[in-house]
Amino acid sequence: AQKITQTQPGMFVQEKEAVTLDCTYDTSDPSYGLFWYKQPSSGEMIFLIYQGSYDQQNATEGRYSLNFQKARKSANLVISASQLGDSAMYFCAMREGLHNFNKFYFGSGTKLNVKP
Amino acid sequence: DAGVIQSPRHEVTEMGQEVTLRCKPISGHNSLFWYRQTMMRGLELLIYFNNNVPIDDSGMPEDRFSAKMPNASFSTLKIQPSEPRDSAVYFCASSLKGLAQSYNEQFFGPGTRLTVL
Repeated sequence: AQKITQTQPGMFVQEKEAVTLDCTYDTSDPSYGLFWYKQPSSGEMIFLIYQGSYDQQNATEGRYSLNFQKARKSANLVISASQLGDSAMYFCAMREGLHNFNKFYFGSGTKLNVKP
Repeated sequence: DAGVIQSPRHEVTEMGQEVTLRCKPISGHNSLFWYRQTMMRGLELLIYFNNNVPIDDSGMPEDRFSAKMPNASFSTLKIQPSEPRDSAVYFCASSLKGLAQSYNEQFFGPGTRLTVL
């Protein structure tokens, strides 16, 4: 089974609107961390936001928030007030518990296009 | 903080040649990861090290690929002999190894774009 599933290969959003990028994960370990990365066309990987499995509140970083639904094993990224510069690939990732020795699993990514 | 440093940034070589990619992780980080990214296969984990020891190399595609980490500040990924299907962007990333739920994200290098003709 896939550890990280991103079911939206591509998405469009109008500038200034909010958009949700989906991510579901699969683990039986109670201890894990969830990450989102942005990859613009220039190619670098930029860390956006993090959620720990024991965190009680959803993570927020500026216009980014993570909708963490533990029972559903989902960790959707919400971008509010989209900007043209948000157009990029977005990757969801997970790090599992101690027995996996710090291994990260990445999803296949979602390509977001922000329209003016 | 210089971030993760990779060299070269671009490499063009001919089929059959040996290719060596280099990575310097962030000082103090004790985990290092090598990834390959292509349009067809996305982002693939090739191998990762904890405290200079290879932990999981199940993603290394073939025996033509090898990786070493002789010390905490340097790692290499070697392809010998190279083939056109090895053309990809190769990323190195580093992080602090800690509890899985701890805020230790991976920091990525800028990548090496490899083209094998």
